[in-house]
Amino acid sequence: GAVVSQHPSWVICKSGTSVKIECRSLDFQATTMFWYRQFPKQSLMLMATSNEGSKATYEQGVEKDKFLINHASLTLSTLTVTSAHPEDSSFYICSATRGGFAGNTIYFGEGSWLTVV
Amino acid sequence: DAKTTQPNSMESNEEEPVHLPCNHSTISGTDYIHWYRQLPSQGPEYVIHGLTSNVNNRMASLAIAEDRKSSTLILHRATLRDAAVYYCILRDGTGFQKLVFGTGTRLLVSP
Repeated sequence: GAVVSQHPSWVICKSGTSVKIECRSLDFQATTMFWYRQFPKQSLMLMATSNEGSKATYEQGVEKDKFLINHASLTLSTLTVTSAHPEDSSFYICSATRGGFAGNTIYFGEGSWLTVV
Repeated sequence: DAKTTQPNSMESNEEEPVHLPCNHSTISGTDYIHWYRQLPSQGPEYVIHGLTSNVNNRMASLAIAEDRKSSTLILHRATLRDAAVYYCILRDGTGFQKLVFGTGTRLLVSP
């Protein structure tokens, strides 16, 4: 199956700093990418949808100025957590699809653990 | 987003078949039924998806009710590696076609 890779797998940062997480589709062109966050023992919560070359669409309640999403190419999307705080510590997961058709499979990355100290 | 209802947990013995149910009574004609599963500390893994007809792949089978208001994911012979949280998700055939996760079913497999 298609491969989606995230980097880094885990990161620790100081409160107030920014951290960037990358999501790459390794063997297909991803016109649409999604970003999720997941707290322990909870389900995935969709944060935003990004289409290549356009601004991301954020879910209600997600601060777009805090969670900056860039999808500059068909194989790369980035999530930047700005001015991180301990409550932003979570498991962040990206997914990607060729897009355009609801029957297309969506492939997920391995996830990135963020710990803010 | 159309919602799905799944049991919180189910148990199975190794090498036995497992039937994981999902109710989606408000499904629309353009919604695809997707199943994903997630192991601890990993991203979700695609299992199977379908629209109206039953589907089979190397991992599982998907049985869709004739009125499409429910579906069942079938694992033909459970293994210990199948222990995971299974999510049944409706993906809108229009709009942004995003996947919105519910709470899923935690499958426990005993040796």
